Amino acid sequence: QKEVEQNSGPLSVPEGAIASLNCTYSDRGSQSFFWYRQYSGKSPELIMSIYSNGDKEDGRFTAQLNKASQYVSLLIRDSQPSDSATYLCAVNPFSGGYNKLIFGAGTRLAVHP
Amino acid sequence: ETGVTQSPTHLIKTRGQQVTLRCSSQSGHNTVSWYQQALGQGPQFIFQYYREEENGRGNFPPRFSGLQFPNYSSELNVNALELDDSALYLCASSLDDNTEAFFGQGTRLTVV
Repeated sequence: QKEVEQNSGPLSVPEGAIASLNCTYSDRGSQSFFWYRQYSGKSPELIMSIYSNGDKEDGRFTAQLNKASQYVSLLIRDSQPSDSATYLCAVNPFSGGYNKLIFGAGTRLAVHP
Repeated sequence: ETGVTQSPTHLIKTRGQQVTLRCSSQSGHNTVSWYQQALGQGPQFIFQYYREEENGRGNFPPRFSGLQFPNYSSELNVNALELDDSALYLCASSLDDNTEAFFGQGTRLTVV
């Protein structure tokens, strides 16, 4: 079982719709969770972090965390063509006494006009 | 505020050679982590440096080594390059226990 799993996509949504991206993780002791956006040929860009159960909103983005189900999601409202990118879910298990990120393989999002 | 910068941006090396990649951390950040991202995959953790010492390592062989300098900049060294080392190498910086990590633009390494 992979430590962080995401659907590879592509997830195709029309402009203006809500895009829903999902991620599950295997280490129940994980403490912090992140969403990164990566455009083709570029490096990952941090867009959301979440540490406790529930929802966290930032502009058009909402991150949702359910530690009991080991599930993290990212909602993008009013999707724009510029949101087309690969979205990476990252989890910090905080094992060994130091911080590191374990990434999923990413979900490719395509927003079409 | 200066972001994370990496050099060079692209590099082509021959199998068996050695390579050094460089990273300047974001202003005020004292922790640097290195990741390898193969095509179509998520980044994989190589190791982390905190206050000039390696304090965590992923599942990479000893030919992957690093350094952190007093100004918190860092180097990643890879010896005896293999074709499978071809990847995007990413440096991320963070501050102490704050787990929000910010990436540089990466170095694209091609081994031929």
